[in-house]
Amino acid sequence: DAKTTQPNSMESNEEEPVHLPCNHSTISGTDYIHWYRQLPSQGPEYVIHGLTSNVNNRMASLAIAEDRKSSTLILHRATLRDAAVYYCIKVSGNTGKLIFGQGTTLQVKP
Amino acid sequence: NAGVTQTPKFQVLKTGQSMTLQCAQDMNHEYMSWYRQDPGMGLRLIHYSVGAGITDQGEVPNGYNVSRSTTEDFPLRLLSAAPSQTSVYFCASSYSGTSGGAFDEQFFGPGTRLTVL
Repeated sequence: DAKTTQPNSMESNEEEPVHLPCNHSTISGTDYIHWYRQLPSQGPEYVIHGLTSNVNNRMASLAIAEDRKSSTLILHRATLRDAAVYYCIKVSGNTGKLIFGQGTTLQVKP
Repeated sequence: NAGVTQTPKFQVLKTGQSMTLQCAQDMNHEYMSWYRQDPGMGLRLIHYSVGAGITDQGEVPNGYNVSRSTTEDFPLRLLSAAPSQTSVYFCASSYSGTSGGAFDEQFFGPGTRLTVL
């Protein structure tokens, strides 16, 4: 089962919006899209997840394409604390297994 | 709530030794899992469990055993440690089977850094 595809790294300026893309062309109808982030020397931290509709929470927004083959994590105003590795993950609705890819390293410049 | 706790934080083993990494959660989560993360890499799933008495293999299960006798605990056993098992090990837990089959967010422990000489 193919993992998701993300750019290796991205840069952003502080207080500007950040759009982190993810391709998941082999997604099945029961797979959810989850995003986690990992700060240096810490375990991953949940950010957001969705199935078909766009989702918002206090941390971020998730925009899912109509064909579900891609999605975008949106951080509305990046802060220095948002510098981390962001993982886009397909999660089986049947098993709940998280299969991580390489992730995107986000650098935030002051 | 303490969340997900892992012990020990650090461990050094010699090749061939065995040991158990402990993981516990106090959130009454059905789903628990173990991952390893090698330097500069993403996490890889070792084993997971959808409830007490039920375990299954992930991406990289060889060399590791698990059991789930209680909801709270999910220990990971290294049978005969090898240098290739040098890694950071993360345990995670979550509720499972919410509406529509979605699995909720997984809560990760702080990790165990294991070195095998």
